[in-house]
Amino acid sequence: RKEVEQDPGPFNVPEGATVAFNCTYSNSASQSFFWYRQDCRKEPKLLMSVYSSGNEDGRFTAQLNRASQYISLLIRDSKLSDSATYLCVVNRFNKFYFGSGTKLNVKP
Amino acid sequence: EAEVAQSPRYKITEKSQAVAFWCDPISGHATLYWYRQILGQGPELLVQFQDESVVDDSQLPKDRFSAERLKGVDSTLKIQPAELGDSAMYLCASSLDSGEAAEAFFGQGTRLTVV
Repeated sequence: RKEVEQDPGPFNVPEGATVAFNCTYSNSASQSFFWYRQDCRKEPKLLMSVYSSGNEDGRFTAQLNRASQYISLLIRDSKLSDSATYLCVVNRFNKFYFGSGTKLNVKP
Repeated sequence: EAEVAQSPRYKITEKSQAVAFWCDPISGHATLYWYRQILGQGPELLVQFQDESVVDDSQLPKDRFSAERLKGVDSTLKIQPAELGDSAMYLCASSLDSGEAAEAFFGQGTRLTVV
């Protein structure tokens, strides 16, 4: 079983839409959680860390449910520039485990 | 802003040739990672260093891949001989060894094409 599982998409949404991505992780000892964004043929870049209390950064909201081993990312008011692949990442004992990514296409 | 430096950005090599990639992590970052990312997949760890020591190389194909970080700063990843299936993006990342909240910072990657 993969450490981190994500729906690969693609999610095709119109500008202004709200879209949600989900991710599950298999090891309950995982310690910290992140969403990274990766543009085509570029390196992954940190979008936001994810905390049990939930956290928000502008149009982006991330949630963590440790009991269900589930992480989510909500994007409100989607912009064309949000088109990218979103990678769910967990850290356990200083090792980072990546999902395969969820592709988002925001259309005009 | 501090960055992870990688070179070259692109490399085309013939199969059976040797190829090497270089990475200079963010200053002060004790942990250095080499990942391989195949198109459409997430990055997969090849090797992890803590200072100059290898922490995890369980997924490194040691018959053809080698990695070193001699002085605990920059690092080199080598493939010899290259095979067609090695075509991928090779990403270097570094992180502070400051506990569970530390994020990984990535370099721009080396895109390898083996022909």
